[in-house]
Amino acid sequence: DAKTTQPPSMDCAEGRAANLPCNHSTISGNEYVYWYRQIHSQGPQYIIHGLKNNETNEMASLIITEDRKSSTLILPHATLRDTAVYYCIVRPYSGGGADGLTFGKGTHLIIQP
Amino acid sequence: DTGVSQNPRHKITKRGQNVTFRCDPISEHNRLYWYRQTLGQGPEFLTYFQNEAQLEKSRLLSDRFSAERPKGSFSTLEIQRTEQGDSAMYLCASSPRGLAGQDEQYFGPGTRLTVT
Repeated sequence: DAKTTQPPSMDCAEGRAANLPCNHSTISGNEYVYWYRQIHSQGPQYIIHGLKNNETNEMASLIITEDRKSSTLILPHATLRDTAVYYCIVRPYSGGGADGLTFGKGTHLIIQP
Repeated sequence: DTGVSQNPRHKITKRGQNVTFRCDPISEHNRLYWYRQTLGQGPEFLTYFQNEAQLEKSRLLSDRFSAERPKGSFSTLEIQRTEQGDSAMYLCASSPRGLAGQDEQYFGPGTRLTVT
């Protein structure tokens, strides 16, 4: 499995866009980029995923570079409730999508009031 | 949809005792996963079911651990002869069978185990 590299922590002011980077330089052609977050004392929460095109949903946007070696999760207007650990995960699709997720240590995003 | 539920939420046990946790997935999700998370670390995959079949097990799942999903609905995770190193948050997740890359996992709140 490809591995990911994320900064251990980041700060962002409330109301500003939070941009969380992730490096996945060994990603393979059939591997997707997933983002989850974990608010303190809760289970992880799915945010967004993509293969090679940029993606947007009601929670966030995912920008994947053309070479797919890195990506950025964007929270457009961060609120205090977005304070959490954000995990970037590269996941192969092996025909059944059955593989367990491989979490790293993630980025602890702190939204400052 | 009531989400993934796990019981109990907290469990304190003495070393050497057996414990069992339960996970109820989102209804009609045929995939169910168990993870373990220790303080300051991301969750670690333990095992996975598709319906009642256990299809994948991590090397982390020692012989003292056993998981079942007898009717393809709820699942149990049992730890026998608990050790202090088993203290962790045990997370359950479920996902629907979907298209490629369309099978995001939905996590429960976890069961926090403390072995004294």
